[in-house]
Amino acid sequence: EVQLVESGGGLVQPGGSLRLSCAASGFTFSSYWVHWVRQAPGKGLVWVSRINSDGSSTSYADSVKGRFTISRDNAKNTLYLQMNSLRAEDTAVYYCARGNSFFGNWGQGTLVTVSS
Amino acid sequence: DIVMTQTPLSLSVTPGQPASISCKSSQSLLHSDGKTYLYWYLQKPGQSPQLLIYEVSSRFSGVPDRFSGSGSGTDFTLKISRVEAEDAGVYYCMEATHLPWTFGQGTKVEIK
Repeated sequence: EVQLVESGGGLVQPGGSLRLSCAASGFTFSSYWVHWVRQAPGKGLVWVSRINSDGSSTSYADSVKGRFTISRDNAKNTLYLQMNSLRAEDTAVYYCARGNSFFGNWGQGTLVTVSS
Repeated sequence: DIVMTQTPLSLSVTPGQPASISCKSSQSLLHSDGKTYLYWYLQKPGQSPQLLIYEVSSRFSGVPDRFSGSGSGTDFTLKISRVEAEDAGVYYCMEATHLPWTFGQGTKVEIK
C-alpha cells in the first residue's frame, strides 16, 4: 500500500524557519516525481513545489521561490521542504503528493502556522 | 500563470440526480506532446484530496463509472450521472500542462 506521511509542522514566528518531511513507503520512491501542495485554512489547493525522481530538477511557485527549498533522499525514501523567511500567508496544511504528471497519492498533511 | 475558473462554486444535489461542474482555463491545456493535462480531484470533508479523472476523461483506479470527464482546449466538464451521498465534498480541476500547475477555486457539492 502506498503511504505518504508528512511531519514537521507546527507554530513558528514570522521570519522563522521550518523543515517538513514526507516519509514514503509501499512503492519505489526513486522512480517518482514528488510534490508539495498546500491549503490555507478554509481555502483551496495551491501547488508549491516539485522535484524529479533523482533530485536533479526542481520547480517552485512564485510565492515561495527563493524562500523554500525542496529536496529528497532516495536512500531514506523521504521528501523534504525547507521553509525559510516564513510569512503569515504561508499558514496552511502542507501535503506531499506522488506523481509524474498528476497526484495519484497524497499524504494526510501537516499544519504549519506562522504567527507571533 | 494559468487561471482555472470553476462554475458553479457550490451545488446542492438530490441523490440519484445528475450534477455537472465546468472548468475553464485561461489558455489552452493542449501540450506540445499532444496530451491535455487536465485533472479532477475530490476532497471529502476532513480528508486529503483524491484523484478522480486524469487527462480530461480517464477515470483513476477505483473511481465509479458514474463520474465522467470531457472537454478540450480551454473548456472542461466533470459530470456525475447519479449523485450518491458519498460524493459530497469539494471538487477541484487542476492543470499540469503549464508551470506552475494550478487548481480551480473548488466547487462545493452538498447532498440534499
